Amino acid sequence: DIQMTQSPSSLSAYVGDSVTLTCRASQTIGTSLVWYQQKPGKAPKLLIFGASTLHSGVPSRFSGSGSGTAFTLTINTLQPEDFATYYCQQSYTTFPVTFGQGTKLEIK
Amino acid sequence: QVQLQESGPGLVKPSETLSLTCAVSGGSITEYYWSWIRQSPGRGLEWIGYIYYSYSEYTNYNPSLKSRVAMSIDTSKGQFSLKLTSVTAADTAVYFCARAFSPYTSGFYPYWGQGILVTVSS
Repeated sequence: DIQMTQSPSSLSAYVGDSVTLTCRASQTIGTSLVWYQQKPGKAPKLLIFGASTLHSGVPSRFSGSGSGTAFTLTINTLQPEDFATYYCQQSYTTFPVTFGQGTKLEIK
Repeated sequence: QVQLQESGPGLVKPSETLSLTCAVSGGSITEYYWSWIRQSPGRGLEWIGYIYYSYSEYTNYNPSLKSRVAMSIDTSKGQFSLKLTSVTAADTAVYFCARAFSPYTSGFYPYWGQGILVTVSS
């Protein structure tokens, strides 16, 4: 299985800050990297696929980058609704699909 | 707009079979990949597998669960199902059904059900 490792596991920031979350794959996955946002009691929400393509309706303050094994999700000018847990997922192979353990973004 | 809705028992006894159904509305159930994904505090998000139907069924399961998992699809009812046998407390989780992005990709999910909590306990 491809292991996905996210850092940090939690992060505190102020509204208006910019933050960068990191995801690393245990082997190269090209740009087959997906980011989700999840709020308590809700299903994950797709933000970015293909490492950098914003899903329809996702605000442009979210951006993704990276390739190979190292990826980042940047959120500029944090809004109150952005405080949530973020997960990365590799879509390189479905044998099996694997997720990171999440980064919890909390308001400071 | 595609909508998914999980249903099934919220409590299952150890060693018994967990059975869930996902009803799909707002789109075709054929020629898309339909997945089950679960989430628990101890295991995080865990992909269980997918089922695909186009003239015949095709399934792909997580190797860690493969010996206990079966998925099926009922195109006439617009729903697909999950069975997980010989459950233990480790199978306690929120179970989500999800649809892949397009007919040509199986690996990421813009459409999710709201999730159903299944507890394994006697």
